[in-house]
Amino acid sequence: EIVLTQSPATLSLSPGERATLSCRASQSVHSYLAWFQQKPGQAPRLLIYDASNRATGIPARFSGSGSGTDFTLTISSLEPEDFAVYYCQQRYNWPPVTFGGGTKVEIK
Amino acid sequence: EVQLLESGGGLVQPGGSLRVSCVASGFTFSSYAMNWVRQAPGKGLEWVSVICGSDDRTDYAASVKGRFTISRDVSKNTLYLQMNSLRTDDAAVYYCVKGGTGTNLLFDYWGRGTLVTVSS
Repeated sequence: EIVLTQSPATLSLSPGERATLSCRASQSVHSYLAWFQQKPGQAPRLLIYDASNRATGIPARFSGSGSGTDFTLTISSLEPEDFAVYYCQQRYNWPPVTFGGGTKVEIK
Repeated sequence: EVQLLESGGGLVQPGGSLRVSCVASGFTFSSYAMNWVRQAPGKGLEWVSVICGSDDRTDYAASVKGRFTISRDVSKNTLYLQMNSLRTDDAAVYYCVKGGTGTNLLFDYWGRGTLVTVSS
């Protein structure tokens, strides 16, 4: 099973600041990594797929990078609606599909 | 427009059974991999099961294998998860999640979820 480790667990930032979230895989997932955003009481929403491709309707301030075992989600300038929990997920080697433990981006 | 609407959650006793459903619309249901992903209260996301597009091959997380069964009824555009021998750690919001065609598990659309509570 591929384990995904996200860091940090919590990121305290102010609106307008840059957010950098990390996801590390226990073995290579090539580029088969996605990022999701989840707000309280809502279902997750796909942000980035295949490491660096923005999903439909996702603003350009969200970007993804990386391949192999190390991946990054960057939010260039935080908007108030971006404060949420972010999960990475791999689909390279399944079953099982696996998710990281999440990073909470909170208002400082 | 893709829509996924889950139903069937509720309170069940440990050892009991429950079937949750998901009505899908806006895409060719039979061609796409469909999944169940769950989230225990205050916890992260856990993939539960998949039924692949076209060939209906199924797979399960180790934690539910032998107890849960995924299926679909193409005539009703409905996905099911039959859950037997339920345990307290199965309590969660269960999300219906659309994948890509065939065995592509790109999770592009999620339903709102249905809450399953396991308690005596």
